[in-house]
Amino acid sequence: DAMVIQNPRYQVTQFGKPVTLSCSQTLNHNVMYWYQQKSSQAPKLLFHYYDKDFNNEADTPDNFQSRRPNTSFCFLDIRSPGLGDAAMYLCATSRPTGPSRDEQFFGPGTRLTVL
Amino acid sequence: AQTVTQSQPEMSVQEAETVTLSCTYDTSESDYYLFWYKQPPSRQMILVIRQEAYKQQNATENRFSVNFQKAAKSFSLKISDSQLGDAAMYFCAYPGLGSQLIWGAGTKLIIKP
Repeated sequence: DAMVIQNPRYQVTQFGKPVTLSCSQTLNHNVMYWYQQKSSQAPKLLFHYYDKDFNNEADTPDNFQSRRPNTSFCFLDIRSPGLGDAAMYLCATSRPTGPSRDEQFFGPGTRLTVL
Repeated sequence: AQTVTQSQPEMSVQEAETVTLSCTYDTSESDYYLFWYKQPPSRQMILVIRQEAYKQQNATENRFSVNFQKAAKSFSLKISDSQLGDAAMYFCAYPGLGSQLIWGAGTKLIIKP
């Protein structure tokens, strides 16, 4: 089945120690998103890629970076995690055309703990 | 500004009963989609139902249906015959600029056995 896969599902890191979260998709969607979600809140968009075009949200901290080496993969790098970065990180994909236009397909998320 | 408002932070319903979750939005667009997503505790965000704004007929997916009032910019979700597995956070969402989704704050649905 076509899907969005996130690894790892759980990540524990130390304060200030860089961490990378990964996302892959078999849907061949143009657009990939990274969201941060804290308990019982709506997902907060960090950035998204439309093909190779990177779009950063204005309030995304510089501490967060992203790479998309090809259509299938996208990475979230947190350069110096702080306690406030502990959250669920969601990857999603979408396509801008077709019957599922604008619908976002989500991975299971990576829960990040910062010690 | 494009906004999505869910005015019910939490709702509870007896198992097998019907519950309606409300959502209002603000847009100047005429052709768009609206979405309800479900996020069970510690589980994946999944699409429940989508509505195309140019269609007058309300979308239905099994026990889930919407009441779409375009003029009022209202998009409520009705869950019939509520089941324990329906317990989750429900988010209403609307596509904003640049392929993004604008999210409501969410409604936590509790199912009482």
